[in-house]
Amino acid sequence: GENVEQHPSTLSVQEGDSAVIKCTYSDSASNYFPWYKQELGKRPQLIIDIRSNVGEKKDQRIAVTLNKTAKHFSLHITETQPEDSAVYFCAASPPVTGGGNKLTFGTGTQLKVEL
Amino acid sequence: GAVVSQHPSRVICKSGTSVKIECRSLDFQATTMFWYRQFPKKSLMLMATSNEGSKATYEQGVEKDKFLINHASLTLSTLTVTSAHPEDSSFYICSARLFDEMAVGGEQFFGPGTRLTVL
Repeated sequence: GENVEQHPSTLSVQEGDSAVIKCTYSDSASNYFPWYKQELGKRPQLIIDIRSNVGEKKDQRIAVTLNKTAKHFSLHITETQPEDSAVYFCAASPPVTGGGNKLTFGTGTQLKVEL
Repeated sequence: GAVVSQHPSRVICKSGTSVKIECRSLDFQATTMFWYRQFPKKSLMLMATSNEGSKATYEQGVEKDKFLINHASLTLSTLTVTSAHPEDSSFYICSARLFDEMAVGGEQFFGPGTRLTVL
């Protein structure tokens, strides 16, 4: 099955700096890569996703890049703000015809944005 | 985005009792729902995939007789933790996928989670 590794496990940045979180996946058939933000005790919230037919996607301060050859994908947050502090999870999903798409999650990155 | 609700949000029970958790998609039909378990400061671990009208598919290592899943309609899946023990204490989260037979990769919307504490 799919295996997703995520680094770093913790990340501290100064407000206004950029933050980068990296993930690798093992199943070359995976074609959907979402990123979730989870605040303590809350549900994961989708912040951005990318499909395997594109290499980069951007939404305001958040961008995701995908390298299918290397099986890497990364989350980039620019101009970080204190409210960006949370745990971020990457995930990967292979196609499953007719049924659902199982997400395999990375281990999470605790991002702390310091004033 | 689509809304998924979960009930109850928090439950405390005695060891040996059974607890039912409901997951509902409020404004869309979900043929597939997923149940996850999350330990403090850990990632989400998929327990099972719940398919409307058919048996759930359990991940390796998850006891299907202990974690009973029923997906009787396109908007409701239930997880019953039977004969709960303290080691079953955890944060249980469901998610629902939009109904789309042609989806290559379906976005999942998560419920708010249920904090189960077994005494």
